[in-house]
Amino acid sequence: EVQLVESGGGLVQPGGSLRLSCAASGFTFSSYWMHWVRQAPGKGLVWVSRINSDGSSTSYADSVKGRFTISRDNAKNTLYLQMNSLRAEDTAVYYCASNYYDSSGYLYWFDPWGQGTLVTVSS
Amino acid sequence: QSVLTQPPSVSGAPGQRVTISCTGSSSNIGAGYDVHWYQQLPGTAPKLLIYGNSNRPSGVPDRFSGSKSGTSASLAITGLQAEDEADYYCQSYDSSLSALFGTGTKVTVL
Repeated sequence: EVQLVESGGGLVQPGGSLRLSCAASGFTFSSYWMHWVRQAPGKGLVWVSRINSDGSSTSYADSVKGRFTISRDNAKNTLYLQMNSLRAEDTAVYYCASNYYDSSGYLYWFDPWGQGTLVTVSS
Repeated sequence: QSVLTQPPSVSGAPGQRVTISCTGSSSNIGAGYDVHWYQQLPGTAPKLLIYGNSNRPSGVPDRFSGSKSGTSASLAITGLQAEDEADYYCQSYDSSLSALFGTGTKVTVL
């Protein structure tokens, strides 16, 4: 079964740090691009960051650039998101999701998604 | 980053047809990037509903259909059912291959 399982969420004070993990199984993790998408309470989906299949290329939303770092360990089939200098507005459920980038330059849709992990930034 | 614009809500009686629009620009949908749609039931993660503008994954009922034209796309639900009550999001990309999500539409079955 293709599966993504996030962990590492929790309550953190403003200015603090947190590292999220996303464990993948059931597919060839090292062949897929990986993304983090977040959803603030009662709000819509917002793309946060992506990393290509071998980890050599990353991209970030302006709102997290310079504070968040995405990385992956293909030997462990695991994606990470290191979040520093956290702000109240970073409070959200964080989802990891995968997609495929083919040799023609086509980037596919997000499937599967993890179940999400809640990050709450509050004093 | 720009977003894709959707109506906040649509509603319909059981059996009716509803449509959800997704409006982008020449730098995303209009640049040729495909549009994908996701359904999010309350308290759950998003689920792929339509991929590549108009294709349904296995297991998605054929009452869901998608289309794309110019800088916009749309999702149609025909024969609306109570279980279709959910939030729906469109998604595409920009030239940097950063993902863009729509603002989301809540579908209410009257």
